[in-house]
Amino acid sequence: DVKVTQSSRYLVKRTGEKVFLECVQDMDHENMFWYRQDPGLGLRLIYFSYDVKMKEKGDIPEGYSVSREKKERFSLILESASTNQTSMYLCASRRRQGYQETQYFGPGTRLLVL
Amino acid sequence: RKEVEQDPGPFNVPEGATVAFNCTYSNSASQSFFWYRQDCRKEPKLLMSVYSSGNEDGRFTAQLNRASQYISLLIRDSKLSDSATYLCVVNKDSPTGGFKTIFGAGTRLFVKA
Repeated sequence: DVKVTQSSRYLVKRTGEKVFLECVQDMDHENMFWYRQDPGLGLRLIYFSYDVKMKEKGDIPEGYSVSREKKERFSLILESASTNQTSMYLCASRRRQGYQETQYFGPGTRLLVL
Repeated sequence: RKEVEQDPGPFNVPEGATVAFNCTYSNSASQSFFWYRQDCRKEPKLLMSVYSSGNEDGRFTAQLNRASQYISLLIRDSKLSDSATYLCVVNKDSPTGGFKTIFGAGTRLFVKA
């Protein structure tokens, strides 16, 4: 079974704090993703990474950065947390075979920024 | 306009009913299509891929209409355990190579006893 783990299920931070969200996958997948999910908006892609040290902006990268130093680990960084970054954050890793693919999601981190 | 649009619902149906969800996508260059299921307070999980010829997995049937740019999911003989949010997912080529994945906002289904 593929396993994607995230460092925290729940986090409470204050405005202006630097926040690290970590994601680890155990299936040697090259592709990893960070999404946020908000009611009525669905999942929105923040950043993704095709391989180690490679990253690409998604649809809403502002206020976020990422790090992929090792294949199994993809970190999301909020440089200076703001209240509009309160959300559910989901990490995923992807297995692809031609056009067929499966994204495996972690359990999510619910972040509250006060 | 959103790239992937779904009726948010909720759809409230009795057990045993047949229910259908539609999803439209705006980019005609989209390459591959999927339905994911997300239970309340859980992460999304792949339900099924959607093939051009249509495909079936037990009580679930997925269809793709490229000309009209929509995808459908049909659930027959609904069970209480089918209650969830169903996410339509579309891949399209990324300008820098590979695929870009776009999720719809989801359609909520409640199956009642």
